[in-house]
Amino acid sequence: NAGVMQNPRHLVRRRGQEARLRCSPMKGHSHVYWYRQLPEEGLKFMVYLQKENIIDESGMPKERFSAEFPKEGPSILRIQQVVRGDSAAYFCASSPAVGGVTEAFFGQGTRLTVV
Amino acid sequence: TQLLEQSPQFLSIQEGENLTVYCNSSSVFSSLQWYRQEPGEGPVLLVTVVTGGEVKKLKRLTFQFGDARKDSSLHITAAQPGDTGLYLCAGEAPNTGNQFYFGTGTSLTVIP
Repeated sequence: NAGVMQNPRHLVRRRGQEARLRCSPMKGHSHVYWYRQLPEEGLKFMVYLQKENIIDESGMPKERFSAEFPKEGPSILRIQQVVRGDSAAYFCASSPAVGGVTEAFFGQGTRLTVV
Repeated sequence: TQLLEQSPQFLSIQEGENLTVYCNSSSVFSSLQWYRQEPGEGPVLLVTVVTGGEVKKLKRLTFQFGDARKDSSLHITAAQPGDTGLYLCAGEAPNTGNQFYFGTGTSLTVIP
């Protein structure tokens, strides 16, 4: 059973370009979480999605950032018109459907560098 | 916002020493997870505690969930260089549809 897959692992974008980060959850998992991490810091929650629904996007900037988790295919975190301050590691986690104790499993992250 | 504070933020110890990391909140959690993250990698789940007062052991690591399910501790016995990493606690908030809130992290360095 493959774990959470994120790609690309590393992404370099020039200021003003768009960044698209993909996350394929573990098989059977229908919940996806996106987190952002700066060096030497913990994880900052961005958005929580279930299939075709955004459950909580309270941690995501209202402008330039968007996320989706379609019925088919991976979850996508999209950052438009990137700026240097968007440089960070972005982690995706997935968990199974509601019921009992929920455990989240993480991918290896996408390291975005804006030049 | 369900804030989880971890202490200490940074910890550097000699190989063989014992240490305890704390994760505290004023909020109650349905469950609490501990993760370890190594540089350049994603967090790896170590343990989940669910019941107030619960103690779980994973080799030299002992995890405890507070009686009121608001805090947790991680104790490492005879630390080894391989224990070096960022330790993160995460609480699952009740009635939020499985939302997780992460602590601020404890960066541990074990010196050979």
